[in-house]
Amino acid sequence: DIQMTQFPSTLSASVGDRVTITCRASQSISSWLAWYQQKPGKAPNLLIYKASTLESGVPSRFSGSGSGTEFTLTISSLQPGDFATYYCQHYDTYPYTFGQGTKLEIK
Amino acid sequence: EVQLVESGGGLVQPGGSLRLSCAASGSAFSSSAMNWVRQAPGKGLEWVSAISSGSGSKSYADSVKGRFTISRDNSKNTVYLQMNSLRVEDSAVYFCAKGGSSWSHQILDDWGQGTLVTVSS
Repeated sequence: DIQMTQFPSTLSASVGDRVTITCRASQSISSWLAWYQQKPGKAPNLLIYKASTLESGVPSRFSGSGSGTEFTLTISSLQPGDFATYYCQHYDTYPYTFGQGTKLEIK
Repeated sequence: EVQLVESGGGLVQPGGSLRLSCAASGSAFSSSAMNWVRQAPGKGLEWVSAISSGSGSKSYADSVKGRFTISRDNSKNTVYLQMNSLRVEDSAVYFCAKGGSSWSHQILDDWGQGTLVTVSS
């Protein structure tokens, strides 16, 4: 199975900051990677798929990059509603797996 | 966009069984693969199972293989997760999520609100 390693596990930042979250796959997954945002008590919300394609309705301050085994999610200027937990997930082959999550906290 | 509503969660003893349902609204259901993803309290997301649009293909996480069975009824716009031989570690919120029309490389783009399963004596 493909393992996804995501870091950092916690990130403290302020409104207006630029932040980057990294996700590493245990083997090449081409660009078959998605990023989700989850707020407490809610379902995950798809932000980015195919490593860098923004889901419809997602603000352009979110961006994704990478291919193969190394991927990043960048938020260019943090807004108050962005403080949440973020997960990467590969969908290359079954079983799909998620990263451990990054909790983005207000500094 | 497809609206998904899960039901069937509850408290069950170890070794017991439970069947979860996920009802979908919208015409996209019958042409879409469907997935179950779970989240233990305070923990991360774990993909559990997937089924293709016509039920011809199914896949399971190793942690549930042989104990859980995914199925669907396209006439009822519903996907199911039959969970047998439940363990304490199966306790989680279970989400259903819509995939794509293709079995391969599914993007989970619509999610339900989840249903809580608690396995405890």
